[in-house]
Amino acid sequence: GAGVSQSPSNKVTEKGKDVELRCDPISGHTALYWYRQSLGQGLEFLIYFQGNSAPDKSGLPSDRFSAERTGGSVSTLTIQRTQQEDSAVYLCASSPVGTGDEQFFGPGTRLTVL
Amino acid sequence: GQNIDQPTEMTATEGAIVQINCTYQTSGFNGLFWYQQHAGEAPTFLSYNVLDGLEEKGRFSSFLSRSKGYSYLLLKELQMKDSASYLCAVRDPTDSWGKLQFGAGTQVVVTP
Repeated sequence: GAGVSQSPSNKVTEKGKDVELRCDPISGHTALYWYRQSLGQGLEFLIYFQGNSAPDKSGLPSDRFSAERTGGSVSTLTIQRTQQEDSAVYLCASSPVGTGDEQFFGPGTRLTVL
Repeated sequence: GQNIDQPTEMTATEGAIVQINCTYQTSGFNGLFWYQQHAGEAPTFLSYNVLDGLEEKGRFSSFLSRSKGYSYLLLKELQMKDSASYLCAVRDPTDSWGKLQFGAGTQVVVTP
């Protein structure tokens, strides 16, 4: 079946512009996660959605970052007034219900802020 | 909060064995994951440990000691395709049942 998909795969933008990154999780997965990975670094947790519960936004680095998940499926991560330090690969993952469930990652969106 | 430590890089010869250690200090614990990430690709799941002991899956094994806050990933009969970054991640339910905290990853280089 289809895995997690993300779009665009690459995004180059100018400093100060807003960007939207999209994630389509695996059908039926109730949990959805956003991570950020800077060059040569590990994954940094950003935000987590689980079903209809309020999202865990504790990892968002600033109020320029926001995310929503519509209809319990597709999610959009929005970065307003982008800065050069926002340049990174943004990874989305989904998992079924259950604390032991592995997370399935999408291919990521490489964001470059000039 | 959590602190997860793993070595930055390890080099080993094709056919050999490599052990990647991961230590963690967390306020809570509900499982430890290992992921493999090839350059430019998304991480893929390797193993999950929630109880003490060794989990074996083919050439890869993962060990956990909760009392010591310690895990290792053992890669046997190394192949060139095993060259990748290996990420240790801990789930801490006191923060959120869902999110994982990742270590910075260990880059394994397999040489001929």
